[in-house]
Formats: sequence, structure tokens, C-alpha cells
Amino acid sequence: GENVEQHPSTLSVQEGDSAVIKCTYSDSASNYFPWYKQELGKRPQLIIDIRSNVGEKKDQRIAVTLNKTAKHFSLHITETQPEDSAVYFCAAERGAGSYQLTFGKGTKLSVIP
Amino acid sequence: DTAVSQTPKYLVTQMGNDKSIKCEQNLGHDTMYWYKQDSKKFLKIMFSYNNKELIINETVPNRFSPKSPDKAHLNLHINSLELGDSAVYFCASSQANIQYFGAGTRLSVL
Repeated sequence: GENVEQHPSTLSVQEGDSAVIKCTYSDSASNYFPWYKQELGKRPQLIIDIRSNVGEKKDQRIAVTLNKTAKHFSLHITETQPEDSAVYFCAAERGAGSYQLTFGKGTKLSVIP
Repeated sequence: DTAVSQTPKYLVTQMGNDKSIKCEQNLGHDTMYWYKQDSKKFLKIMFSYNNKELIINETVPNRFSPKSPDKAHLNLHINSLELGDSAVYFCASSQANIQYFGAGTRLSVL
């Protein structure tokens, strides 16, 4: 089955700096890689996703890159703000077209004002 | 007009009791899930149903029994609750890849 490793488990950055979270996956058949943000006491919510036919995707201050050969993908947040503080989860599809996800263990991001 | 709603939001109960959590989605999705999030925030899939049919059952004790009366509902019944069952349980639904989560049910077993 799919195994997703996520690093780091905690990350503290100064407001305005960039934050990078990295994930690796094991199933080379996986084609879909979403990122979810979970604020304290709230539900996980999709913030960005990428499919295997794309190497990079950007949405304002967040971007995701994918290296299918190396089986890793990363989340980049630029110009961080205090409201970016949350737990971020990467995920990978469990086999092509399965619609099931395996989640990484999460990264707690703290943005210090 | 909440997309995925689950009840109750909080559940406090004694060890050994039986309890249920209900989940409903009004998005018309075919697939629904139950996840368990422990104190370390690990988000682990428990069950997945597609059109009322079970398609994933991870290594979950058989004290946990999901029930899907129709594709808009996926309820979770837990028998003989144990201390280790304390967690936040999230229901989710999806059509294709994107999953939408409910607000979670915080279960505390005393």
C-alpha cells in the first residue's frame, strides 16, 4: 500500500519568511497529491493539489512542486502571515484512480509575528 | 447548508458503553469516509464506502461498525468503548479526488 512520509513535524518561521514542507510517497502509480490545512479545532480543508502531469502549481502565496521520478512533492508558502499557523497534511492517492488518500503525519507550522 | 455534517460535536462517555456518531452529506457524493485523529494529530482512514458498499476497512477493531443506509449517510457505531478510543473522528465525502471533511466529533472515554 501507499506510504507517505512528511517532514518536518514542526516548523517555526518569522512572519514574512517562507516555509517549505516536504513529502515522499511510495506508490509510483499515484497520480494525485493534495495538501490540507487544519486550523486549531477545525476540520482539514484542501488548500492546493497537483496531478502527476504537472510539475508545479501556484495559487497566490502557496505553491506545490512534484518530482515523480524521485517520488516527492513539496508545499511552499511565501510571505507567511500569522493566519498561516496551522497543521498541514500532505496526501497521496492510494493507487491510480482509487480516490482514496493516504495522509502524511502532519506539520505544525507556527508563524511568529 | 453545511456540506458534510456530523453529530454530535462532543461525546463524553464511560468505558464499556456503546455510542454512535452520525454523518450526512448533501453534496451528492458517492464516496464517504471515517477518519480517526489521535492526540498527535495523525489522520488515519478507518472506513470508506462507495454507494453504500464498503471498499476500505483498515485494521480497525470489530467493535467499530459503520452503517450506510444510503449514499448520503455513513454512521459509525462503537461497542464497548475503551480509553484508547478517545480521539476526534472525522467524516468526509468525495466525488473523484477532493475530500470534504465534517467538523469532527470529539470522543472522550472516561
